[in-house]
Amino acid sequence: TQLLEQSPQFLSIQEGENLTVYCNSSSVFSSLQWYRQEPGEGPVLLVTVVTGGEVKKLKRLTFQFGDARKDSSLHITAAQPGDTGLYLCAGSNTGTASKLTFGTGTRLQVTL
Amino acid sequence: KAGVTQTPRYLIKTRGQQVTLSCSPISGHRSVSWYQQTPGQGLQFLFEYFSETQRNKGNFPGRFSGRQFSNSRSEMNVSTLELGDSALYLCASSPGVGRFNGYTFGSGTRLTVV
Repeated sequence: TQLLEQSPQFLSIQEGENLTVYCNSSSVFSSLQWYRQEPGEGPVLLVTVVTGGEVKKLKRLTFQFGDARKDSSLHITAAQPGDTGLYLCAGSNTGTASKLTFGTGTRLQVTL
Repeated sequence: KAGVTQTPRYLIKTRGQQVTLSCSPISGHRSVSWYQQTPGQGLQFLFEYFSETQRNKGNFPGRFSGRQFSNSRSEMNVSTLELGDSALYLCASSPGVGRFNGYTFGSGTRLTVV
């Protein structure tokens, strides 16, 4: 069974601070995605990374896929209250491309 | 472009009853997947349908079933409901062909079993 462990589980920071969320597994994934979920809504896709060592930037968010494709990180620069939510990483394998294994989640709260 | 539509949004059922949830994917998407989200287990994959055929299945008991229609709309059914089936059920659609680049999720159906 593939597992994705995220850390930290909870993060409460003030506006303007930087943070990093980690997503780790002992298994190799062909691709990895990051989603953000707000209360009462479904997850929203932020990014997909497919190449080991790949780095993608989305405004203040930077995503990295580990060289061995077993881990990933999400770095947020100058966090804003609008970044508040549940961040989920999710991995897929070529053979079951649309069957995702989701991480345990990181709940982020950004206050003024 | 309309998003993924799930109905109903909220549902309260009694233990032992059955329930049917509905999902309309994004127009043109042929793959529909279902996930269960609970505080304890997080998001867990139930099954995926593509062109009216179940293409993938998660580790859930046979009480959980689904189907997909020719217009790609999907339904999932849970029979003999148990208290532990209380969860947010999420439907997700994707094109279903080519490289998988992620899902578009619906807002979910919140099922409470009493």
